[in-house]
Amino acid sequence: KAGVTQTPRYLIKTRGQQVTLSCSPISGHRSVSWYQQTPGQGLQFLFEYFSETQRNKGNFPGRFSGRQFSNSRSEMNVSTLELGDSALYLCASSVNGGTGAEQFFGPGTRLTVL
Amino acid sequence: AQSVTQLDSQVPVFEEAPVELRCNYSSSVSVYLFWYVQYPNQGLQLLLKYLSGSTLVKGINGFEAEFNKSQTSFHLRKPSVHISDTAEYFCAVSDTGGSYKLIFGSGTRLLVRP
Repeated sequence: KAGVTQTPRYLIKTRGQQVTLSCSPISGHRSVSWYQQTPGQGLQFLFEYFSETQRNKGNFPGRFSGRQFSNSRSEMNVSTLELGDSALYLCASSVNGGTGAEQFFGPGTRLTVL
Repeated sequence: AQSVTQLDSQVPVFEEAPVELRCNYSSSVSVYLFWYVQYPNQGLQLLLKYLSGSTLVKGINGFEAEFNKSQTSFHLRKPSVHISDTAEYFCAVSDTGGSYKLIFGSGTRLLVRP
């Protein structure tokens, strides 16, 4: 069974631009979560989607948004990029997102904002 | 709200020596506990998790962890490490009430030397 895939793997943008990252969960998984990983702040939860509905959101500004499609694939969008948005963005999927469920992580998209 | 503290940012150890990576958590509600490993340029992989039952949890690659409710700790141990165990290790918690998110510690870099 294929793992979680994220595209693109690397991305370079300039301040003020917007970016869209994509995540394809493991087949059969309906929950997708997004995390931001930076050296300073560590791993921080962005949001979680299940059956196209956002069930929880972390403490990030409104410039960060996401959505999930009927096939469970998910995208996250960051508008008006800032230098501080440079990070590794990780996507994780699980069968139903229950709090004890194992989350399977993708390799991440490394975003660099210049 | 929950928080996780990983007391050691880096742990150097010689190959075949035992190791313990420390994790303490704070929460006003019941939690589930997890340990994840991240190898360079990869996503996170679940090592083990504690949901309920026996406080000693065995995971993959010879790792184990013990849940201590009175000390709010969940330390990770391995009796004999290998060079290939060099990686970043993250302790995480999630509440049992359905917040659908993981709260991560800042990570401990395990450096195994020959």
